Amino acid sequence: AQSVTQLGSHVSVSEGALVLLRCNYSSSVPPYLFWYVQYPNQGLQLLLKYTSAATLVKGINGFEAEFKKSETSFHLTKPSAHMSDAAEYFCAVTGSGTYKYIFGTGTRLKVLA
Amino acid sequence: DVKVTQSSRYLVKRTGEKVFLECVQDMDHENMFWYRQDPGLGLRLIYFSYDVKMKEKGDIPEGYSVSREKKERFSLILESASTNQTSMYLCASSFLAPGNTIYFGEGSWLTVV
Repeated sequence: AQSVTQLGSHVSVSEGALVLLRCNYSSSVPPYLFWYVQYPNQGLQLLLKYTSAATLVKGINGFEAEFKKSETSFHLTKPSAHMSDAAEYFCAVTGSGTYKYIFGTGTRLKVLA
Repeated sequence: DVKVTQSSRYLVKRTGEKVFLECVQDMDHENMFWYRQDPGLGLRLIYFSYDVKMKEKGDIPEGYSVSREKKERFSLILESASTNQTSMYLCASSFLAPGNTIYFGEGSWLTVV
């Protein structure tokens, strides 16, 4: 079975500050992990994904995430927040032998001027 | 660019009505999915399909059915709409192999009155 936990349903950061959004996963098979972003009234857009190559994954808009097997984590970071980063972010997991993608409950990021 | 198109962005239906939500993808993806998104609950899988005429129940299939007569089209059907089905519905698609990116449509906001 697989699951995803996103710590913090709401996160606020100042413009220019570090963004850190937390994701922990549980998987009985080697996982594939994803971060998606959702802007208001839109669908989800892929930010980045981990598929067992490099553990540090770089995505769009300056975001990156590090896969840490020992901590079962896949936290999303960005060195300097921009106002346009305000959105909801979802972590997701899937794996071999399943068609299902399991999503977390989401973290809404607010960027303060 | 991958395109997943949901036919209706906003719908208002009456309790007891039969509701059809249509989704079309243009990337020849084998997998198609219907998710429901509610605040604080994230995305929950209703049904998915890995081939024409094939379907599998997700986590919350009660009150819903689906149809996949052509590879590019996946329909979600609410046989008798109820107010607790008021929600955002997201269609998605992906290639069959594990770890592939799942692509989303813009979403359909359904209000049942």
